[in-house]
Amino acid sequence: DGGITQSPKYLFRKEGQNVTLSCEQNLNHDAMYWYRQDPGQGLRLIYYSQIVNDFQKGDIAEGYSVSREKKESFPLTVTSAQKNPTAFYLCASTRTGANTEAFFGQGTRLTVV
Amino acid sequence: GESVGLHLPTLSVQEGDNSIINCAYSNSASDYFIWYKQESGKGPQFIIDIRSNMDKRQGQRVTVLLNKTVKHLSLQIAATQPGDSAVYFCAESRLGATNKLIFGTGTLLAVQP
Repeated sequence: DGGITQSPKYLFRKEGQNVTLSCEQNLNHDAMYWYRQDPGQGLRLIYYSQIVNDFQKGDIAEGYSVSREKKESFPLTVTSAQKNPTAFYLCASTRTGANTEAFFGQGTRLTVV
Repeated sequence: GESVGLHLPTLSVQEGDNSIINCAYSNSASDYFIWYKQESGKGPQFIIDIRSNMDKRQGQRVTVLLNKTVKHLSLQIAATQPGDSAVYFCAESRLGATNKLIFGTGTLLAVQP
């Protein structure tokens, strides 16, 4: 079955550490996105990539980094520069060329301990 | 700036009643709208979408209405069931804007048995 897989489901990070969240899709979608969700709030765009080897900052990119070396994969690194990283992180993908819905993974809950 | 907001943060309905969830958007250039359902701890799931050349679209037990004059979107759920309990988000985008979806805060739908 086609879909988006995020791992791990839960992640704990010590202060000062970088952590990387995985996102893989087998939908053959060109575009991939990372969103952050805080309790009681909507989704805020961190980074997005329309094509391999290219990505753009979203609305809250500070403290995060991404790479897009393969079409299927769009990992997100939460760096120590992100001062408030505890949140629910969602990865999504879409086809390009026309408006279309985003398909989401099941999310990674990151907690700083 | 661009924003999508919801009128009601929480909506409580009786099982079997119809539910109406509202959403206001501010960008008149938006031409594509989506409703997502998000259950606790999971990623958002696509419910229904509508393009700006339509006023109404129906799915299974759900109807989306678009009023471009007042920039208002609504989701109607017929015969609400306990399984409908979730947070519902509206999202907007416009063709040519990299498929970037802008999400509202969300409405929590609580279905009382």
